[in-house]
Amino acid sequence: GENVEQHPSTLSVQEGDSAVIKCTYSDSASNYFPWYKQELGKRPQLIIDIRSNVGEKKDQRIAVTLNKTAKHFSLHITETQPEDSAVYFCAAINTGTASKLTFGTGTRLQVTL
Amino acid sequence: KAGVTQTPRYLIKTRGQQVTLSCSPISGHRSVSWYQQTPGQGLQFLFEYFSETQRNKGNFPGRFSGRQFSNSRSEMNVSTLELGDSALYLCASSYRQGGDTEAFFGQGTRLTVV
Repeated sequence: GENVEQHPSTLSVQEGDSAVIKCTYSDSASNYFPWYKQELGKRPQLIIDIRSNVGEKKDQRIAVTLNKTAKHFSLHITETQPEDSAVYFCAAINTGTASKLTFGTGTRLQVTL
Repeated sequence: KAGVTQTPRYLIKTRGQQVTLSCSPISGHRSVSWYQQTPGQGLQFLFEYFSETQRNKGNFPGRFSGRQFSNSRSEMNVSTLELGDSALYLCASSYRQGGDTEAFFGQGTRLTVV
């Protein structure tokens, strides 16, 4: 089955700096890669996703890049703000087999003033 | 429209007991997935139901079971509770099966086994 590794487990940046979270996946047939943000005490919510036919996707201050050859995808947050502090989860799935969404173990991002 | 609703929000049980958790998906969503969340382990997939049928199952013992009703509401049952079952249990609903559409999570049920 799919295995997703996520790094780092914790990340501390100063407000205004950029943050990068990296994930690798094992199933080369995986074709959908969402990112979820979970604020303290709240439910995970989708913030951005990318499909395997695209190499990069941006939405305001967040962007995701995908390298299919290396089986690697990353979340980039620019101009970080205190409200970006949360746990971020990457995930991967092979939608062709209707298999389960496999999550990484999460990255706790702390944006300090 | 209403989001995903999980009940109860908090639960305390003793070892050996059983527990049933409930999840009401967003109206029109037919897929419901369940996850166990523990510190350091992220979101571990339990199972997915679509149209009242279990479509996928994670690597959890048979003490964990579930079902889905005709109105897409789902229940998860854990029998013979162990201390290690203490966790936040999240359900997520999607319009389609297979996970390629956004999964909307509920607030979760925090289960404490003492």
